[in-house]
Amino acid sequence: NAGVMQNPRHLVRRRGQEARLRCSPMKGHSHVYWYRQLPEEGLKFMVYLQKENIIDESGMPKERFSAEFPKEGPSILRIQQVVRGDSAAYFCASSPRDRFPEQYFGPGTRLTVT
Amino acid sequence: KQEVTQIPAALSVPEGENLVLNCSFTDSAIYNLQWFRQDPGKGLTSLLLIQSSQREQTSGRLNASLDKSSGRSTLYIAASQPGDSATYLCAVDSNYQLIWGAGTKLIIKP
Repeated sequence: NAGVMQNPRHLVRRRGQEARLRCSPMKGHSHVYWYRQLPEEGLKFMVYLQKENIIDESGMPKERFSAEFPKEGPSILRIQQVVRGDSAAYFCASSPRDRFPEQYFGPGTRLTVT
Repeated sequence: KQEVTQIPAALSVPEGENLVLNCSFTDSAIYNLQWFRQDPGKGLTSLLLIQSSQREQTSGRLNASLDKSSGRSTLYIAASQPGDSATYLCAVDSNYQLIWGAGTKLIIKP
C-alpha cells in the first residue's frame, strides 16, 4: 500500500504565477488535510476535505488559496498570484475516516516564490 | 482555543545520555497526541501516537507519556545517538485538526 504521495516535491514560481500542489491519499483513504510550514515557524492547519466536500477551511487564507478533492483524482491545493510570503513547505495528510486516530503524512511540497 | 507548547526549544547533549522532551497543551479535550520527527528540509516521520484513553506508548528507545488532566506529554529518548539529531514535534488532535508545537531541536554530540 503506497503512502501519501505529493507532487511536485519542489516547485518554483515567480511572483504572480499560479501554484498547483497535488496530493494522492493512501488507498482507501477518503479524508485529506493540508498543513503549511512557513520558514522557521510551526505547522499550521489549512483545510480538511472529504471527497467532493470541504469540511473545514478555517486555516486557509481568505484570498488566493483554494482546495478541492474531486470524486476522482488527487486533492489539489491551488495558490493564485503567488507572493514571496507563500514560500513554505506544504504537507498533505490522509486518513480513512474521521476520528480515526492517525493522519498519515506525505513528503511535502516545497514552494519557492522568486 | 488549543495551544501547544514545547520546551526546550533546543537541546544539545552528549551521545549516550537519556533525555526528555516536553509538550504541554491548554485544552485537555483531545482525541490523541502524536510525536513526530523532522530532519532539516525533510518531511515528517511519525514516531508515536497516544490515544486519549492511553497513558503511554513505547517504540524501541522511545517512550511517550500522556497526562490529559495536567495537559502534558513527554517523549523520553534512551541512550541517545547522533542519528537522533532532528527536530521533534508534538501535535494534538483536538477536533481532526492537528495543532502543532513549535518543536524541540535536538543535537546529539558524538
